[in-house]
Amino acid sequence: GAVVSQHPSWVICKSGTSVKIECRSLDFQATTMFWYRQFPKQSLMLMATSNEGSKATYEQGVEKDKFLINHASLTLSTLTVTSAHPEDSSFYICSARTRSTQETQYFGPGTRLLVL
Amino acid sequence: GENVEQHPSTLSVQEGDSAVIKCTYSDSASNYFPWYKQELGKGPQLIIDIRSNVGEKKDQRIAVTLNKTAKHFSLHITETQPEDSAVYFCAASENQAGTALIFGKGTTLSVSS
Repeated sequence: GAVVSQHPSWVICKSGTSVKIECRSLDFQATTMFWYRQFPKQSLMLMATSNEGSKATYEQGVEKDKFLINHASLTLSTLTVTSAHPEDSSFYICSARTRSTQETQYFGPGTRLLVL
Repeated sequence: GENVEQHPSTLSVQEGDSAVIKCTYSDSASNYFPWYKQELGKGPQLIIDIRSNVGEKKDQRIAVTLNKTAKHFSLHITETQPEDSAVYFCAASENQAGTALIFGKGTTLSVSS
């Protein structure tokens, strides 16, 4: 149980385009979802916290107009990177928490984004 | 806010040896401490966690210890195998809905046969 999926697993796009990444909890309802980015050989950096039905809370330094997060249902959150630039190339990972085990976070497999 | 320090950054052991990774945290309000294993190109996988009302937890070859007074916790892997090679992250958070995990910088464990 507690499986989180992400789609796509990797994406290559041209500079200036927008990219949408989906995060789904497959077998549980996620009251909270988190989005992280990870650069090579570095730790996970929290970008934003997303609660179902409410606006996401962004970490300091993360542009909310550039990284649009929507948590439309208890099983789906999306991250849209708008007007992507090469510096946005990174590994984006989502995680989800269940209602019953509040602290435990289950991570998705990640999405590799390369902006040319 | 919470700050998590993790040591060492790299660790090389021979197959069959034990490996120990240590983390310290700064926020006394933190009471949940998970450990994740991340293989190259994949998302982190929860391997074990501990809550502040417990001092030690064991799951087969993996154990975690917690010293709340000193604000540090450790991951112990016994009888290491080559497939244990990966990056290991410790994390800390409060037990509150919506509270995010704060991660350490990671330890790259290499197990040679």
